[in-house]
Amino acid sequence: QTLVTQEPSFSVSPGGTVTLTCGLSSGSVSTSYYPSWYQHTPGQAPRTLIYSTNTRSSGVPDRFSGSILGNKAALTITGAQADDESDYYCVLYMGSGNYVFGTGTKVIVL
Amino acid sequence: EVQLVQSGAEVKKPGESLKISCKGSGYTFISYWIGWVRQMPGKGLEWMGIIYPGDSDTRYSPSFQGQVTISADKSISTAYLQWSSLKASDTAMYYCARRGGELTLDSWGQGTLVTVSS
Repeated sequence: QTLVTQEPSFSVSPGGTVTLTCGLSSGSVSTSYYPSWYQHTPGQAPRTLIYSTNTRSSGVPDRFSGSILGNKAALTITGAQADDESDYYCVLYMGSGNYVFGTGTKVIVL
Repeated sequence: EVQLVQSGAEVKKPGESLKISCKGSGYTFISYWIGWVRQMPGKGLEWMGIIYPGDSDTRYSPSFQGQVTISADKSISTAYLQWSSLKASDTAMYYCARRGGELTLDSWGQGTLVTVSS
């Protein structure tokens, strides 16, 4: 089974910058996987941040940006704010209607 | 406004059956795939499968094939996730999501908490 790996956690200072990554257990992440990113607080609906590698979803502030860095997808938060403290998941499209969620990264703003 | 509204929390016993729902509104229901996502207590999000309500084409994650059934009733713009025999390990929050353009999951239901306990 394909494993999509993310850093377990990151701490960032208010106003700081953090880059989360999303890798494949075997192979490289490319735009062909249509990487997307979601912010999630348990018990609430996930919020779509980025899709198709680097397109911001409607209403998402421009401090969130997506890219491919090396062989991984990446989500960068520039100028972190307190309410950015949350869990973040990448999702890769594997074809035939199937997706795989990453392991998730907990971002702490302090 | 696109909305996905899920059915309420459920408490069931092991071995019981269950069907939870996800009703779409504000868009043409039959034209967009609807997926289901699981979050077990203290764990991450997991992809379960997806259905195209227009023709009921359904795809399952290998991890969930044979464990659940995904269906849809296009006449009432509702997708379903069902179990024939629940286990304690099915205790989780379940979310539905619409697949939009460029393969994104662009709208989400509020979640349905399923608790399975004897």
